[in-house]
Amino acid sequence: GAVVSQHPSWVICKSGTSVKIECRSLDFQATTMFWYRQFPKQSLMLMATSNEGSKATYEQGVEKDKFLINHASLTLSTLTVTSAHPEDSSFYICSAHRGSGPGAFFGQGTRLTVV
Amino acid sequence: GQNIDQPTEMTATEGAIVQINCTYQTSGFNGLFWYQQHAGEAPTFLSYNVLDGLEEKGRFSSFLSRSKGYSYLLLKELQMKDSASYLCAVRDRNAGNNRKLIWGLGTSLAVNP
Repeated sequence: GAVVSQHPSWVICKSGTSVKIECRSLDFQATTMFWYRQFPKQSLMLMATSNEGSKATYEQGVEKDKFLINHASLTLSTLTVTSAHPEDSSFYICSAHRGSGPGAFFGQGTRLTVV
Repeated sequence: GQNIDQPTEMTATEGAIVQINCTYQTSGFNGLFWYQQHAGEAPTFLSYNVLDGLEEKGRFSSFLSRSKGYSYLLLKELQMKDSASYLCAVRDRNAGNNRKLIWGLGTSLAVNP
């Protein structure tokens, strides 16, 4: 079946540094990927829609200059959390759609802790 | 606007049957999804309904009534490993991207021995 791989699965960084998270579709091409953030015991919050070859579409309230998204190929989207602060600590998850299928396939998620 | 409601928590006994309800309001309904999410892990796809009726897949079934804006996920022969959060999500063709999902807050299911 389709697999979406997300890396790293967890990362600890110092406040003020930047962290890059990768999301790869392993056996299919994904023109659209989605980036979510999830705080403990809360549901998924869509941050942005990553579009291959064009600018990402950010949800209201999400700072595009802080959460940089690059979707340079049909199999890779990256999310960079710039100048991270402790309040950015969260579980970040990407998802991708395969062809015309209805379901979204999720990456394993990245647990970010900013200290 | 868009809104999805599901119970926050449910408790059930191993071997029993549990039904998790989801109601939604969207302007351009284009499919409803159920996902399972264990603590600390990403969601995994369970079911998809776009037409009215029941979709059965092993121990899990999902029902949809578009006229009522209502769906349920039915879990049979509950096992301890079914303890997880169950997320209802709706696709809205008017949401700006036809693959964008609107998510409910999830139902945390605890299965007791």
